[in-house]
Amino acid sequence: GENVEQHPSTLSVQEGDSAVIKCTYSDSASNYFPWYKQELGKGPQLIIDIRSNVGEKKDQRIAVTLNKTAKHFSLHITETQPEDSAVYFCAASIGGAQKLVFGQGTRLTINP
Amino acid sequence: KAGVTQTPRYLIKTRGQQVTLSCSPISGHRSVSWYQQTPGQGLQFLFEYFSETQRNKGNFPGRFSGRQFSNSRSEMNVSTLELGDSALYLCASSLSTTAEAFFGQGTRLTVV
Repeated sequence: GENVEQHPSTLSVQEGDSAVIKCTYSDSASNYFPWYKQELGKGPQLIIDIRSNVGEKKDQRIAVTLNKTAKHFSLHITETQPEDSAVYFCAASIGGAQKLVFGQGTRLTINP
Repeated sequence: KAGVTQTPRYLIKTRGQQVTLSCSPISGHRSVSWYQQTPGQGLQFLFEYFSETQRNKGNFPGRFSGRQFSNSRSEMNVSTLELGDSALYLCASSLSTTAEAFFGQGTRLTVV
């Protein structure tokens, strides 16, 4: 079955700098790749997603890139702010978001 | 628009008991998925329902079951609880089987 590896497990950056989180997936049939942000005591919040027919997608300070050949995708956060501190999860699935396989998560800390 | 609502938020049960968790999806959403989140195993897919039919099932024992009602509300049941069932149980709803998924805040189950 599908397996998603996420790196790094923890990431600490200075406020204003950029943060990059990377994921690799194993099943070449996967075609939907969302990213979720989870704050303490809350459920995961969808922040951006990408489908396999697109190589890059951007939403303000957040961008996701997908390399289907290498089977990896990355989350880029620019101009980081303290409120970006959270645990971020990548996921992969076939078809849609109904059977997501998640990475192990990255705890991002933004230092003021 | 109200988000995904899960009840109860917290639950403490004794080994051997059974428990039922409830999920009300976003209005108009017909697909509901359930996930288990633990520190050791991360986020793992339990099952998915669409129009009252279970479409996908994860790799969990038969003690874990679920159902969906005609109004799209869903319940999951865990029988013969074990200590290892202690986890955050998350419900996610989607407009369709190919649309993005939105999570509720989860039900924190503690088995003692």
